[in-house]
Amino acid sequence: SQQGEEDPQALSIQEGENATMNCSYKTSINNLQWYRQNSGRGLVHLILIRSNEREKHSGRLRVTLDTSKKSSSLLITASRAADTASYFCATDLSGGTSYGKLTFGQGTILTVHP
Amino acid sequence: SAVISQKPSRDICQRGTSLTIQCQVDSQVTMMFWYRQQPGQSLTLIATANQGSEATYESGFVIDKFPISRPNLTFSTLTVSNMSPEDSSIYLCSANLWDSFANEQFFGPGTRLTVL
Repeated sequence: SQQGEEDPQALSIQEGENATMNCSYKTSINNLQWYRQNSGRGLVHLILIRSNEREKHSGRLRVTLDTSKKSSSLLITASRAADTASYFCATDLSGGTSYGKLTFGQGTILTVHP
Repeated sequence: SAVISQKPSRDICQRGTSLTIQCQVDSQVTMMFWYRQQPGQSLTLIATANQGSEATYESGFVIDKFPISRPNLTFSTLTVSNMSPEDSSIYLCSANLWDSFANEQFFGPGTRLTVL
């Protein structure tokens, strides 16, 4: 079954508002990575958070990780129309035969209206 | 970060034919991966391309349908064989960059395949 589940499936906001996307997973992870995909193109790597980290920032992005709840969130502050894209979380189970493999969530489609 | 390129960027193919997708990384990497993204769906791992050994396939994917080559540490190919319309997807390659504690994985721009 899919390791990562994301919610909401779709999010529509106005420019300037904050957008929060959530990701839950089922088994222990080595790290969790967030990606953006514009219109079915390649994935852009946004941020990686390790299992021993609780929060990480990159520009307008803030990622949290709660390993006790097996969940992560991605917050985009002061959103822009250019942030319109699909956002995916991906878990890296690592170790043994899972080394380096990513399991993706279903993604959140974010639409930011100008 | 790594720069990963793929060729072709898109193709339209006839049923029963095969297409080989190339993936080039701008630095040497140990592990490369191939993913499939069906229309409106998330990404699913097809296989891990190992340099110097055979690829490791995930459940539901077989070598006869998706043969993979990995001749060196910067290059890999994925062939989609005997294609059917169900193979219409975006195919993406990726590579791990190792730092002290974690693997950041970077993706190519994808190959959009349409099978008629």
